[in-house]
Amino acid sequence: DAKTTQPNSMESNEEEPVHLPCNHSTISGTDYIHWYRQLPSQGPEYVIHGLTSNVNNRMASLAIAEDRKSSTLILHRATLRDAAVYYCILRDVVGAGSYQLTFGKGTKLSVIP
Amino acid sequence: EPEVTQTPSHQVTQMGQEVILRCVPISNHLYFYWYRQILGQKVEFLVSFYNNEISEKSEIFDDQFSVERPDGSNFTLKIRSTKLEDSAMYFCASSESREDSTDTQYFGPGTRLTVL
Repeated sequence: DAKTTQPNSMESNEEEPVHLPCNHSTISGTDYIHWYRQLPSQGPEYVIHGLTSNVNNRMASLAIAEDRKSSTLILHRATLRDAAVYYCILRDVVGAGSYQLTFGKGTKLSVIP
Repeated sequence: EPEVTQTPSHQVTQMGQEVILRCVPISNHLYFYWYRQILGQKVEFLVSFYNNEISEKSEIFDDQFSVERPDGSNFTLKIRSTKLEDSAMYFCASSESREDSTDTQYFGPGTRLTVL
């Protein structure tokens, strides 16, 4: 899987929007951009994924740059429960591509009450 | 909402002993995975399993490790002779389909393995 780069940590005030960036300059045309998060002492949890268009779900929004070399996970109103490590993962599942998730160090998001 | 469950939540064992970690994947899922996370480090892939056989494994998954789906609901990870460096959090995950490029993996809460 192509490599991603994320800031080590970010802070946000509660109830404010959070924009978590991810750079993936070597992304291929068949790579999907997936975001997972890991709350303290829990297993990873799927957040959202996309290919080219921006995506919204009940948890978050994903904004994908036009050249697909970067993306941003948007939490519209951070809550204390959103404090977690957020992972941006590229997955190429075309043909015989690997289906394992390759986790980096992610971004540790702290939410300040 | 269906979820992946794992037992036990914490396992303490002596070096050299065998351990079996158990997982119950989501019932209609067909693909199963084990990952591990050593304290303070990244989540690492160990193995994936489909149709009663291993489909992928990492370099970590050596001959000391094995996986099995002994019945229609459980998925187990066995470590034959534990080492101190096997101490980690072990996560089971399952997914419905690998054919769909939007495949989502659902993770269990993990088993903390402590090798003394």
